[in-house]
Amino acid sequence: ILNVEQSPQSLHVQEGDSTNFTCSFPSSNFYALHWYRWETAKSPEALFVMTLNGDEKKKGRISATLNTKEGYSYLYIKGSQPEDSATYLCAVNTGTASKLTFGTGTRLQVTL
Amino acid sequence: NAGVTQTPKFRVLKTGQSMTLLCAQDMNHEYMYWYRQDPGMGLRLIHYSVGEGTTAKGEVPDGYNVSRLKKQNFLLGLESAAPSQTSVYFCASSYSLGTGNMNTEAFFGQGTRLTVV
Repeated sequence: ILNVEQSPQSLHVQEGDSTNFTCSFPSSNFYALHWYRWETAKSPEALFVMTLNGDEKKKGRISATLNTKEGYSYLYIKGSQPEDSATYLCAVNTGTASKLTFGTGTRLQVTL
Repeated sequence: NAGVTQTPKFRVLKTGQSMTLLCAQDMNHEYMYWYRQDPGMGLRLIHYSVGEGTTAKGEVPDGYNVSRLKKQNFLLGLESAAPSQTSVYFCASSYSLGTGNMNTEAFFGQGTRLTVV
């Protein structure tokens, strides 16, 4: 079973703080890394799909980087807002090309 | 455009009963997946399919069967439900995985909350 690890498990920040999370994965036979945002009582929604070493992607205040050689990705949120409160999942497509293996997520809570 | 639709949204079963969860997508996606979500364990892959008529086992397939008779539908069956199968089940679909730009995001259904008593 592929081991995809996310840290921290949970995070509590104040509005305006910037924060980042880590996703670690085995670097062999890598195809892609996905980041998803999962709000309570909703379904996960994709933020980024990253395939190349050194990839950087940005959507508004959220950005992500990818290092396939050492097997990690960072997700950054600049100036956190209460609406950023959610669980952030990473998923890796590696080895067998037909499936996504998810980490357990980082739960972010942003308070005023 | 409905995306990915799961039926039912909630269900309570008695131990030993059977049921089928239906997942339907209208995006012409080749890949479809069934995950279960349990506290502290994230999303774990039960079974998946890379096209009509094909299925494969994921990480936790025991106690479940699947079928993909039509491209748009992926059915998850529980033949004899057990309390350990109490969970929230998510279906997802994607156009493609694999190398480079062919790797596309997955779209998720709203989930089915199943309780086995």
